[in-house]
Amino acid sequence: SQQGEEDPQALSIQEGENATMNCSYKTSINNLQWYRQNSGRGLVHLILIRSNEREKHSGRLRVTLDTSKKSSSLLITASRAADTASYFCATDNYGQNFVFGPGTRLSVLP
Amino acid sequence: GAVVSQHPSWVICKSGTSVKIECRSLDFQATTMFWYRQFPKQSLMLMATSNEGSKATYEQGVEKDKFLINHASLTLSTLTVTSAHPEDSSFYICSAVPGRPPAGYEQYFGPGTRLTVT
Repeated sequence: SQQGEEDPQALSIQEGENATMNCSYKTSINNLQWYRQNSGRGLVHLILIRSNEREKHSGRLRVTLDTSKKSSSLLITASRAADTASYFCATDNYGQNFVFGPGTRLSVLP
Repeated sequence: GAVVSQHPSWVICKSGTSVKIECRSLDFQATTMFWYRQFPKQSLMLMATSNEGSKATYEQGVEKDKFLINHASLTLSTLTVTSAHPEDSSFYICSAVPGRPPAGYEQYFGPGTRLTVT
């Protein structure tokens, strides 16, 4: 089955810096989504990018998708302490096989 | 909009008892709901796909007789952990889809239920 894999697994940065997380997957997809999870809480949907899209923006978030390399990146600009969380990518193939990667734990230090 | 609730948010039960967790879509109808479990500092693992009015589809390795799923209405799915054991202790998260694939959809997640089996 396909699987998203985030890189790095843990990232620690200073407030104001940019944070970049990468996600790789193995098989063809229809959509790729990024989620945030604060410790012990549910998931918050950040961005969905479709397989025919290359880049999407939402506020301080920028997501890219390279289907030829089967990879995606999530960029958080001007990070804040409140961005501290785990970030997951999830892929789906036309409604099937919705699979989460292991996640990146982001720590933004004040 | 697109709010999903779970009840209870946390539960402690004794080994051998059964626990029911509810997942509700509050402002939309969900033909499909998903159940995940998450161990500490790990990712979400899909347990089963719940379709309204039909039997759930379980992922490989998930015991359907132990994790009973019922999706009786378009706004409610329940997960019952039967004869719970300490190894079932985990964070259980549901999600609901307010649309039909393959057009592309977002899963809206509930806040999760922390189950501790003593």
